[in-house]
Amino acid sequence: AQSVTQPDIHITVSEGASLELRCNYSYGATPYLFWYVQSPGQGLQLLLKYFSGDTLVQGIKGFEAEFKRSQSSFNLRKPSVHWSDAAEYFCAVGGGADGLTFGKGTHLIIQP
Amino acid sequence: GAGVSQSPRYKVAKRGQDVALRCDPISGHVSLFWYQQALGQGPEFLTYFQNEAQLDKSGLPSDRFFAERPEGSVSTLKIQRTQQEDSAVYLCASSPRTALEQYFGPGTRLTVT
Repeated sequence: AQSVTQPDIHITVSEGASLELRCNYSYGATPYLFWYVQSPGQGLQLLLKYFSGDTLVQGIKGFEAEFKRSQSSFNLRKPSVHWSDAAEYFCAVGGGADGLTFGKGTHLIIQP
Repeated sequence: GAGVSQSPRYKVAKRGQDVALRCDPISGHVSLFWYQQALGQGPEFLTYFQNEAQLDKSGLPSDRFFAERPEGSVSTLKIQRTQQEDSAVYLCASSPRTALEQYFGPGTRLTVT
């Protein structure tokens, strides 16, 4: 069965500092991987996706993620966070007829 | 362009009542998914439609949950005899094809009292 682990429930980062959110997955085949962001009371917005090819993918809002097959990881990074980045971040795997499997999310807090 | 819309945005139901949650996907999107998101958790898959065909309903938690998409566009998730454990945000997502990124609606927050 596929699964996603986001080991950090909460992360606090100072505005302007760099950010890395961790994601590890378990999937039987070549995974489709996604990062979504959810602001309070909002739906999920797709930040970026990995299907194949270049293992470093660029997304919206200055985010990027790197697929590392040997580590079963798909960590999300941003070089300099803004206060507006405070939100809940979800890593997900899948994309077939059985839908996406999400991690439990990482709550990002931005300190001024 | 218009995204995925859901209605109502909030629903309060007394235990035992039936509820119906509506999803309007992005026009032309073949695939439609329903997810349940409990407080503090990630979304969990409920069911999947390809056009009007419900191809996977393995995530529906009980036979009180029923989903339909009769004309391959709008979908309704119905919960009969609601229980307190049904309280959650119900998210709908659509996709142009199955194995592509999904676009999510804002969700319906259901509170069962």
